[in-house]
Formats: sequence, structure tokens, C-alpha cells
Amino acid sequence: EAGVAQSPRYKIIEKRQSVAFWCNPISGHATLYWYQQILGQGPKLLIQFQNNGVVDDSQLPKDRFSAERLKGVDSTLKIQPAKLEDSAVYLCASSRGGGGDTQYFGPGTRLTVL
Amino acid sequence: DQQVKQNSPSLSVQEGRISILNCDYTNSMFDYFLWYKKYPAEGPTFLISISSIKDKNEDGRFTVFLNKSAKHLSLHIVPSQPGDSAVYFCAASRNSGNTPLVFGKGTRLSVIA
Repeated sequence: EAGVAQSPRYKIIEKRQSVAFWCNPISGHATLYWYQQILGQGPKLLIQFQNNGVVDDSQLPKDRFSAERLKGVDSTLKIQPAKLEDSAVYLCASSRGGGGDTQYFGPGTRLTVL
Repeated sequence: DQQVKQNSPSLSVQEGRISILNCDYTNSMFDYFLWYKKYPAEGPTFLISISSIKDKNEDGRFTVFLNKSAKHLSLHIVPSQPGDSAVYFCAASRNSGNTPLVFGKGTRLSVIA
């Protein structure tokens, strides 16, 4: 079974530029999560989708971050404009259902904002 | 306010000995706890979980203990192997896992051969 795919793996941009990350979850997984992991911290949930609907986006900085999951499969996370403090690893995870189902993580995208 | 705390940033253990990683939480509503392992340049990998109705869960070399009164859980790895060297994250959730996971900052385990 293929795991969660993410691209790009690394991205370097200057502040005020925009950037987009892509995630392809495990086939058949209804729930998709985007996490932000700042160096030295644990992952923090940004947004959770159930199929193509948003379940929780309470910690998403909506003035600059947006995410979508069209057709309930792939997802993109966008930052526009980026700030220095957005430098982090962005992790995508998926699970078969919600709740206590095991979340499987992708390798992440390391973003550096200069 | 950090609701899940891993107070030891790092731990070194000899191969074959026991590794004990600790985690404390402050939110008494948490009822589902997990441990994830993370290697460099990879995403976290689920290791083991425990529900608040239990005080112990075992899976091979890995055992998680939960002390609800102390709001403390620990992960025991016996015997420790060099391949166990990684960052270990403790995570917690409410409503049997139906709310977002809250992660600790992680503990870097080094198993020395």
C-alpha cells in the first residue's frame, strides 16, 4: 500500500512570496490533516478534512493560509504572503475515518522563508 | 499553554537496556494517548496507543503505561535496539480520539551499541 505522498520536499522562498504544497493521501482514506511542525516543537494541526469538507480549521491563520481538498482526495495548502515565522515542516496525514483511527504521515515539506 | 509535556529533550540508553520515555498532560479531558516515532526527513510513524479505560498496553518490545491520577504516561522499550534511535512524540486527544491530536515537543532517544 502506497503511503502519503507530499511535494515538494523542500522549498525556499522570500518573505511576502506565496507557496503551495500538495498532498496525496493513502487510497481510501476519508480524513486528511495538515500539520505545521516548527523546529523543536511537536506537530500542530492546521486543518482537518473529512472527504472534501472541513472538520476543523480553528488553528489555521486564515488571513494568509488556505487549503482545499477537491473531490475528497488530493489536497493543497497555500500560504500567501509568507512570513519568516512560517518556516517549518508541513506534514500531511490521512486516516481511514476520523476519531481514533491511526493517522499516517507523509514525509513533509520543509519550508524556509528568508 | 502546553497541554502535553515531554520534559526530557533527549535520552541516551545502552543497547539491550530499557528505555523509558515520559509524558505529562494537563487537560483532564484527554482520554486517548498515542506515541509516534520520527526518523530524520520522514514523517512521524504511529507506534502504540492507550485509552483512558486501561492503564497498560503492550505491543512487542513497546509498552505504554498510563497513570490518570498523576496525568502521566510513559513508553517503555525493552530491549532497546540501535534502530530505536529516533525522536518520540507523545500525543493526546479527547472524546476517544475524535478531537485533534495535541503533541508534545518530543524526546530524542539515542541507543548506543
